[in-house]
Amino acid sequence: DAGVTQSPTHLIKTRGQQVTLRCSPKSGHDTVSWYQQALGQGPQFIFQYYEEEERQRGNFPDRFSGHQFPNYSSELNVNALLLGDSALYLCASSFWTGQGIYEQYFGPGTRLTVT
Amino acid sequence: AQTVTQSQPEMSVQEAETVTLSCTYDTSESDYYLFWYKQPPSRQMILVIRQEAYKQQNATENRFSVNFQKAAKSFSLKISDSQLGDAAMYFCAYRRRTSYDKVIFGPGTSLSVIP
Repeated sequence: DAGVTQSPTHLIKTRGQQVTLRCSPKSGHDTVSWYQQALGQGPQFIFQYYEEEERQRGNFPDRFSGHQFPNYSSELNVNALLLGDSALYLCASSFWTGQGIYEQYFGPGTRLTVT
Repeated sequence: AQTVTQSQPEMSVQEAETVTLSCTYDTSESDYYLFWYKQPPSRQMILVIRQEAYKQQNATENRFSVNFQKAAKSFSLKISDSQLGDAAMYFCAYRRRTSYDKVIFGPGTSLSVIP
């Protein structure tokens, strides 16, 4: 059973460009959350998708947008890239168990470098 | 707003010894989860241990145990019989018990294991 997968592994973009990152959740998971992890810091919540809708959003500008597909996979789009957007972008998938315990599994991340 | 603080940016431990990582958090909620995540150089965020706030008993997973002090809002991680593979960034994290809520991470502690 494959865990959470993300693509690409890393990429380099120029300021002002747009980027799309992709995430496939663990089998059986229906919720995808995206986090930004700057170098040397803890992950910061960007937003969460469930049933193809954005359920929650962190303190990120509208340049950050996302999408969830019927197969639960998700994309994170960032427009008008800034140098400060350079970070590791983590995807986490989850589901609500019968006992109400929230299990969240992380992907390996996409390293984005903006030059 | 909820916050998570880790006051030890770096820690080191001799192989086979015991080390304790500290974490404090701030919340007005009474029902929540606390987590310790491990992030090795491979970047994959791995759940080490989970504590449910309504449980008084401290969680234990093999060599990993926590000291949960709800009144003091303290949540430390003890690693016994440290192994070289324990070297990683460790993040303390918090989540409200409500469905699908976001996870809030601390800034992390870098743990080195000395052979």
